[in-house]
Amino acid sequence: AQSVTQLDSQVPVFEEAPVELRCNYSSSVSVYLFWYVQYPNQGLQLLLKYLSGSTLVKGINGFEAEFNKSQTSFHLRKPSVHISDTAEYFCAVSVYNNNDMRFGAGTRLTVKP
Amino acid sequence: DTGVSQDPRHKITKRGQNVTFRCDPISEHNRLYWYRQTLGQGPEFLTYFQNEAQLEKSRLLSDRFSAERPKGSFSTLEIQRTEQGDSAMYLCASSFGGVNTEAFFGQGTRLTVV
Repeated sequence: AQSVTQLDSQVPVFEEAPVELRCNYSSSVSVYLFWYVQYPNQGLQLLLKYLSGSTLVKGINGFEAEFNKSQTSFHLRKPSVHISDTAEYFCAVSVYNNNDMRFGAGTRLTVKP
Repeated sequence: DTGVSQDPRHKITKRGQNVTFRCDPISEHNRLYWYRQTLGQGPEFLTYFQNEAQLEKSRLLSDRFSAERPKGSFSTLEIQRTEQGDSAMYLCASSFGGVNTEAFFGQGTRLTVV
């Protein structure tokens, strides 16, 4: 079965600094990859997804992620973060014809002034 | 549309009691998912409906858990004889189409078993 590892449980950064949240996956078949964000007291919201095609995916709020098949990675990046980006970020993977979307344990991004 | 709605938002129950949660998906979404999220972990898949049919159940879903989606609209998740280990956030999500479409999540029901 597919699985996801988020390498950092917490990432503190200063406002306007760049950030990278790391995600590695494991699967024996082709995958679909997702990043979700969870703001305090809110539901999960889709940031971006990779289905096929271009390996660089752009999402909402200035985030982007790059699918690297050889590294089995899907790291999330933002060139300049804001205080409002403080949230929990989850990487998720699913495979074709399987409804079992697997989530990583999450990375808590804290943006400090 | 107001998105995926879950009720109640919080539930405190005594060990051994039964609890039922409700999820109202986005209208016309044919797929509905239940996840469980414990502190410090990502959501774990519990079960999935396509319309009214329950097509997949995780091994995490013991015999004490049952889910229904009558008429392919709202869904309920019941836990019988609750245990302290059932304490978690229960999330519902819905989508229209295949696994490559966006799943919209509700805010969850936080269950505390005392």
